[in-house]
Amino acid sequence: AQKITQTQPGMFVQEKEAVTLDCTYDTSDPSYGLFWYKQPSSGEMIFLIYQGSYDQQNATEGRYSLNFQKARKSANLVISASQLGDSAMYFCAMNTGFQKLVFGTGTRLLVSP
Amino acid sequence: NAGVTQTPKFQVLKTGQSMTLQCAQDMNHEYMSWYRQDPGMGLRLIHYSVGAGITDQGEVPNGYNVSRSTTEDFPLRLLSAAPSQTSVYFCASSLRRDVSTDTQYFGPGTRLTVL
Repeated sequence: AQKITQTQPGMFVQEKEAVTLDCTYDTSDPSYGLFWYKQPSSGEMIFLIYQGSYDQQNATEGRYSLNFQKARKSANLVISASQLGDSAMYFCAMNTGFQKLVFGTGTRLLVSP
Repeated sequence: NAGVTQTPKFQVLKTGQSMTLQCAQDMNHEYMSWYRQDPGMGLRLIHYSVGAGITDQGEVPNGYNVSRSTTEDFPLRLLSAAPSQTSVYFCASSLRRDVSTDTQYFGPGTRLTVL
């Protein structure tokens, strides 16, 4: 069965510093997609970044990068130069085809001035 | 494009009442789905649809019905509301139904309380 594990319930970081949010996954499917979503206090789910299982390079989207280590089954989100607006819940999710997303329990990030 | 829209934003029901949560998308997406979000549990898939006229169950389907008569709309019906259905409900859609690379885009959510 597919599973996503996020072991950090909460993380603190100072403004302008980098932070890594951990995500490990479990699947026996050779083809899968890994996603990160941000959920601010307003409640909406905002897509941040995607990594495919066959992608050779780590995905990057602006200040977000995904540190993909296939052998370790990890897909950590790295946020560089944190901003106050980055304070939110962050969810890692996996899609193994037919669009059934499996989510982790999330990490709450708090950015302090 | 409005993207994925959901109504209502908030709803309070009494135990045993029924209601329909509305979801619509204007992106001509094949795939639509409903998730519920409970504290400490992430999002869990309730029902999904791979196209008009085709629906299937997700991880937590009990107590919910869906139908998809058009590409745009995917309503979620609560047949007889129970306090255990108090949750935040998200509708999502993606362009294609069978590709693991497609991003799912979420609506703003409906916060439902069942008393």
